Order: sequence, then C-alpha cells, then structure tokens
Amino acid sequence: DIQMTQSPASLSASLGETVTIECLASEDIYSNLAWYQQKPGKSPQLLIYDASSLQDGVPSRFSGSESGTQYSLEINSLQSEDAATYFCQQHHDYPWTFGGGTKLELK
Amino acid sequence: QVTLKESGPGILQPSQTLSLTCTFSGFSLSTYGMGVGWIRQPSGKGLEWLANIWWDDDKYYNPSLKNRLTISKDTSNNQAFLKITNVDTADTATYYCARIGQLDYWGQGVMVTVSS
Repeated sequence: DIQMTQSPASLSASLGETVTIECLASEDIYSNLAWYQQKPGKSPQLLIYDASSLQDGVPSRFSGSESGTQYSLEINSLQSEDAATYFCQQHHDYPWTFGGGTKLELK
Repeated sequence: QVTLKESGPGILQPSQTLSLTCTFSGFSLSTYGMGVGWIRQPSGKGLEWLANIWWDDDKYYNPSLKNRLTISKDTSNNQAFLKITNVDTADTATYYCARIGQLDYWGQGVMVTVSS
C-alpha cells in the first residue's frame, strides 16, 4: 500500500497568516493527489485535485503544489472559516489511502 | 446538482452483516467515467477508503478488510450498495459514499454502531 505521511498533525495560526500542510507519499503517485477540508460533524469537501487544480467554488487562497513525492497545501490569508481538519489522499493506486489529517486551529 | 445520501441500520450486533445504501442524483452510474466510492471514519479519527464501483461494473476493495466487502449498484434507481460481513466493534464508524473520478461530492454520512 502507498503510505501518505501528513504533517503537522495540528497547527495553530492567526487570521491573515499563511500556513502549509504537507503529505509525503511512500512512492511516486504521479500527481494523483487530492486535498480535503473537513469541519466537525460534516463530510469532507474536495479542495484540490490532481495535486494543484482548484475545485470549483473553492477560494483561491487555497493552493496545492508538489515536489517529487512531497505534496503541499498552502492556505493564504487565513480566515476564521478555515478552521478545520485537512486530509490528503492518493488515488494513483489501490487501495486508495489518506493522510492522517492536520487539525488547523485559528488563534 | 449532485447529491448523495447514505442509509443504514444505525446499530447492529457483532457477527451480523452491515448493509448500506447510497442514493444519489445529478449523475448516472451508466455514464462513462462515473463511479461511487465508500469511505468510513471512526469518531475522532481519520478516513479509510473501503471500495469503489465504476460505470462499467469494475469493483475495487480495500484488502485490509479481508474479503468482507461487497459493493454493487442499481443503475436504474441511482443507488450503490456496500455490504460488510461479520462486523465487530472496530467497524463502528460514520460511513460515507462519494462520487468518483475524484471524490468530489460526498454524502452527509451515516453513523453505524456495532455493539452487543
């Protein structure tokens, strides 16, 4: 199975700041990576697909990038509504696997 | 507008079979490239992909569940199904279905508790 190692597990940031969440794949997943946002009691929502493509309706302060097997989600100009847990997920090979999640808290 | 909604028994006992239904609208499982996936999430924990079914009836399962899974579809009624046999307390979770290609639309989830 492809392991997705996500970091950090949690972070705290202030309104207006920029944060970066990372996922390291255990092997090449050829950009077949998505990022999701999940708020308490809600289902995950797709933010980014194919590593860097912004899903329709998602604010442009969210962006994705990659470097080798390292994938990053950057959130610029943090807003209060960005407080959530974020997950990465690879769909290059079965079984599809998720990162462990990053809980983002706003100070 | 794409929507999905999961339904299930709520509570069941160990060793029973869990049957879940995903009823969807806004897309068809007879359309090339469409599919439905099932994902679960124990309370306070991460996401685990379970199974996918595609428009051409291709099926894929998470091998960690050791042949306990069966996914199927009813294209005419816009439904997908997941069965998990021989459940135990470790199967207690919220179960989601989602549209694939990407997991771009998700249902609200259904909570399932396995308890004696």
